[in-house]
Amino acid sequence: QQQVKQSPQSLIVQKGGISIINCAYENTAFDYFPWYQQFPGKGPALLIAIRPDVSEKKEGRFTISFNKSAKQFSLHIMDSQPGDSATYFCAAPNTTSGTYKYIFGTGTRLKVLA
Amino acid sequence: DAGITQSPRHKVTETGTPVTLRCHQTENHRYMYWYRQDPGHGLRLIHYSYGVKDTDKGEVSDGYSVSRSKTEDFLLTLESATSSQTSVYFCAISEPWTGNGYTFGSGTRLTVV
Repeated sequence: QQQVKQSPQSLIVQKGGISIINCAYENTAFDYFPWYQQFPGKGPALLIAIRPDVSEKKEGRFTISFNKSAKQFSLHIMDSQPGDSATYFCAAPNTTSGTYKYIFGTGTRLKVLA
Repeated sequence: DAGITQSPRHKVTETGTPVTLRCHQTENHRYMYWYRQDPGHGLRLIHYSYGVKDTDKGEVSDGYSVSRSKTEDFLLTLESATSSQTSVYFCAISEPWTGNGYTFGSGTRLTVV
């Protein structure tokens, strides 16, 4: 079974600090690598996604860095805010056999202290 | 969440009873998925569908079955619920290779007592 390894499991950051979450994947697939944000009692929501032929993508305070050769990608949250406190999931595409699905990391619970 | 609804939102059932969860979409997306979310395990794929009557197993499919008779509806059935199936279940929809990933429903919290 393909796996996606996500770390750390939990993260506490001071307001204004940088939050960094890392993921490693196994199989290569030419498709987007997304990050999802989930608040308690809600479903995960797409936060930002990157194509594997791009090394970095930035949207506001959120940046994905992608290292194709190392099969790793990371989420950086700049100027972290208490409202960013949530669980974050990375996902890697699993498009074997021509089907379309994602394998998710186990999640990182982020708490930003005011 | 816009375009995708799950029902019921909460359910408590007894061990050994059948349970059906419903996912309904209005986006006309081809792919639909059922995931379960448990602490320490993240989101694990139960079953998915890539078209009407086209379904396949995910990594944790034992004890679950699905059906998709219409594009908009994807049903997840626990034939005989067990306590290990106590979880939060999420439905997701997707149109492949658009860069838009999945859209998730709000989830169903199922408790098997």
